[in-house]
Amino acid sequence: EAGVAQSPRYKIIEKRQSVAFWCNPISGHATLYWYQQILGQGPKLLIQFQNNGVVDDSQLPKDRFSAERLKGVDSTLKIQPAKLEDSAVYLCASSLVMAETQYFGPGTRLLVL
Amino acid sequence: DAKTTQPTSMDCAEGRAANLPCNHSTISGNEYVYWYRQIHSQGPQYIIHGLKNNETNEMASLIITEDRKSSTLILPHATLRDTAVYYCIVRVYNFNKFYFGSGTKLNVKP
Repeated sequence: EAGVAQSPRYKIIEKRQSVAFWCNPISGHATLYWYQQILGQGPKLLIQFQNNGVVDDSQLPKDRFSAERLKGVDSTLKIQPAKLEDSAVYLCASSLVMAETQYFGPGTRLLVL
Repeated sequence: DAKTTQPTSMDCAEGRAANLPCNHSTISGNEYVYWYRQIHSQGPQYIIHGLKNNETNEMASLIITEDRKSSTLILPHATLRDTAVYYCIVRVYNFNKFYFGSGTKLNVKP
């Protein structure tokens, strides 16, 4: 069974530029999560989708971050414009349904200069 | 909003059992205990979870105290590849929100 796929694996941008990350969850998984992990800290949930609907986006900085999962399968997380403090690893995870174990992708490492 | 307390780091000799403690004194009756680990530059990897009873799988054993206020993850024969950060998480069953703390850095030494 293929795991959660993410791309790109690494991205370097300058502040005020835009960036987008892509995630393809495990086939058949209805719930998709985006996490932000700052160096030395545990992952922090940004947004959670159930199929193509948002379940929780309370920790998403909505002035600059946006995410979508239009067809209920893969998802895109965007940052516009990026700030220095957005430098982090962005992790995508999925679960079969909302109450099941989450499986994580390898993450996208973002460096904002 | 992490609900767990873990030691910052631990050492373990290769081939010996690694016992990683976690305190979750405010756990509620419907909250599960989950363990994940994160090897350098990879995403977190699921290890095991439990509610009340002790659990065992091919990776590890989870021992939960009777009052459910603490638990211990046991890696029976640690190898160098088990060097990672181990996260203990409590999760409300029907909300599936994970609050990751800072975890325990396990160093397995030859």
